[in-house]
Amino acid sequence: AQKVTQAQTEISVVEKEDVTLDCVYETRDTTYYLFWYKQPPSGELVFLIRRNSFDEQNEISGRYSWNFQKSTSSFNFTITASQVVDSAVYFCALSEASARQLTFGSGTQLTVLP
Amino acid sequence: SQTIHQWPATLVQPVGSPLSLECTVEGTSNPNLYWYRQAAGRGLQLLFYSVGIGQISSEVPQNLSASRPQDRQFILSSKKLLLSDSGFYLCARSLGGIYNEQFFGPGTRLTVL
Repeated sequence: AQKVTQAQTEISVVEKEDVTLDCVYETRDTTYYLFWYKQPPSGELVFLIRRNSFDEQNEISGRYSWNFQKSTSSFNFTITASQVVDSAVYFCALSEASARQLTFGSGTQLTVLP
Repeated sequence: SQTIHQWPATLVQPVGSPLSLECTVEGTSNPNLYWYRQAAGRGLQLLFYSVGIGQISSEVPQNLSASRPQDRQFILSSKKLLLSDSGFYLCARSLGGIYNEQFFGPGTRLTVL
């Protein structure tokens, strides 16, 4: 069975600080995909990134970066120089061949204070 | 662009009343479509998914049902709402299988009183 754990329920930082959101997953499959989504106060989930299980290269997109480590079953998300607009709930998700659905973590509420 | 529309945006309904939420997708053919519910506390629960017209898979037994009368239309219904049906309902689409990213609509906030 697949499971995603986001242990950080809420994080609060001051603008321009770096912040890392943790994601730990469980799966028995060797082929799987990991995702990050952002949910701003408006409610709509915004897709951020997809990473497959065979690609452990870290990825950087502007102020966002992702660290995928199969050895620790983690897919952490770092925001550099955070901004107030980064305030949102962030979800990590997992899909695998043996399941027919995307399994979401419980989300991390990030608040960036001015 | 590939856009997802949901309506209504907000809805307040009494217990026992029927429900119909609509989701339509633009700009893509034969998408996989999904209904999620997000209750208080932020967790996302998959309710239904559809890989084609008339094809519905239910993930959670409940008093809700879904239908896909057209390729780009996905409807969530209930004959009698319960208080526990309150929540934020999100429609999503993906191209191809479960490995592909899902894109979400703006959601419908349902309050059952």
